[in-house]
Amino acid sequence: AQSVAQPEDQVNVAEGNPLTVKCTYSVSGNPYLFWYVQYPNRGLQFLLKYITGDNLVKGSYGFEAEFNKSQTSFHLKKPSALVSDSALYFCAVRDIGSFSGGYNKLIFGAGTRLAVHP
Amino acid sequence: NAGVTQTPKFRILKIGQSMTLQCTQDMNHNYMYWYRQDPGMGLKLIYYSVGAGITDKGEVPNGYNVSRSTTEDFPLRLELAAPSQTSVYFCASSPGGGEPQHFGDGTRLSIL
Repeated sequence: AQSVAQPEDQVNVAEGNPLTVKCTYSVSGNPYLFWYVQYPNRGLQFLLKYITGDNLVKGSYGFEAEFNKSQTSFHLKKPSALVSDSALYFCAVRDIGSFSGGYNKLIFGAGTRLAVHP
Repeated sequence: NAGVTQTPKFRILKIGQSMTLQCTQDMNHNYMYWYRQDPGMGLKLIYYSVGAGITDKGEVPNGYNVSRSTTEDFPLRLELAAPSQTSVYFCASSPGGGEPQHFGDGTRLSIL
């Protein structure tokens, strides 16, 4: 079965320090992977995606993610955290069954709350 | 730049009542989705649509119905509200392929 795991419920980091939010996936074939961010009382906002190509993907707000096929991971990273980065982060993988239909059925992880302290 | 608009933002229902959650998008996306978000559970897909007149069930469709008469609108109907349907509901749309989904700001629904 396809799945996404975010092993940490919460990540705490000091402002200015690098941050990593972890994501591992289980899917047959080549995965389409996404990161979204959710601020309080708002919907999810797209950060970045990996479909193919360079294993290091750059996205919005200075975030990047590293795809590692051998470890089936897609960790989100940022070199220097900001207090404004505090939010809920979701990793998602495209359901392999939706490929033929053209639509983007996503399987989401449970989310990781990032807290950046001044 | 309206994107995906959901109404209402908040609602309290009594058990057994019915209501419709509205969702409209102005990006001419063919694909639309309804999710529910429960604490610590991520998002679960309720229903999705690949175009006007075509809908299909997601992971958790029981207790819900949808329709898609136009490209823009994708309402979600709760017929007999139950406490287990207390959640935050998100509507999303996408152009398809590998493109990301665009989300509305959600409807917070409490059933008492």
